[in-house]
Amino acid sequence: GQNIDQPTEMTATEGAIVQINCTYQTSGFNGLFWYQQHAGEAPTFLSYNVLDGLEEKGRFSSFLSRSKGYSYLLLKELQMKDSASYLCAFLDSNYQLIWGAGTKLIIKP
Amino acid sequence: IAGITQAPTSQILAAGRRMTLRCTQDMRHNAMYWYRQDLGLGLRLIHYSNTAGTTGKGEVPDGYSVSRANTDDFPLTLASAVPSQTSVYFCASSQTGADNSPLHFGNGTRLTVT
Repeated sequence: GQNIDQPTEMTATEGAIVQINCTYQTSGFNGLFWYQQHAGEAPTFLSYNVLDGLEEKGRFSSFLSRSKGYSYLLLKELQMKDSASYLCAFLDSNYQLIWGAGTKLIIKP
Repeated sequence: IAGITQAPTSQILAAGRRMTLRCTQDMRHNAMYWYRQDLGLGLRLIHYSNTAGTTGKGEVPDGYSVSRANTDDFPLTLASAVPSQTSVYFCASSQTGADNSPLHFGNGTRLTVT
């Protein structure tokens, strides 16, 4: 079967670093996405990984290990505006997106 | 501003009533999608369309129908609403379907069925 899992909620301090993990199981894999969703708003695209390793985009980085079925999103120099839910989703063998329930990130001053 | 427009923003609907959620995009994307988002669950795909004139069923299609008469519009119809269809509905599009192009989402429709 297929499944995907990420923590429900995390708390971090402004200016700090936080790592949001995502684990998945699937027989076919065509990449993994991270999206950001502020409360009451639409999800917006952050990153896509299909090869193992770290992809850096400014304060945000995303890592993938296909052999471990594992990804993380790393947020550096946290700002209050980073308070949001972070959704991970993988593309299965049919190029259908399978979504995690999202991790709500709370940033404290 | 290019993007996806959904209407209405929110709606309270009596059970048994028919309702159409509207979605229009101006990015000339080929693929469009309807998702529902419920607390504690991941986004679930209702229906999709990889190109104008074609549609397909997603993970939770029962009670919903769609049409794709042209590239820009992808309405979602609830033929006879039930309380379990209370949810936030997101329309999305991507450059092409069945590949790794990222999704662009509308701002959602919050539907309450009483």
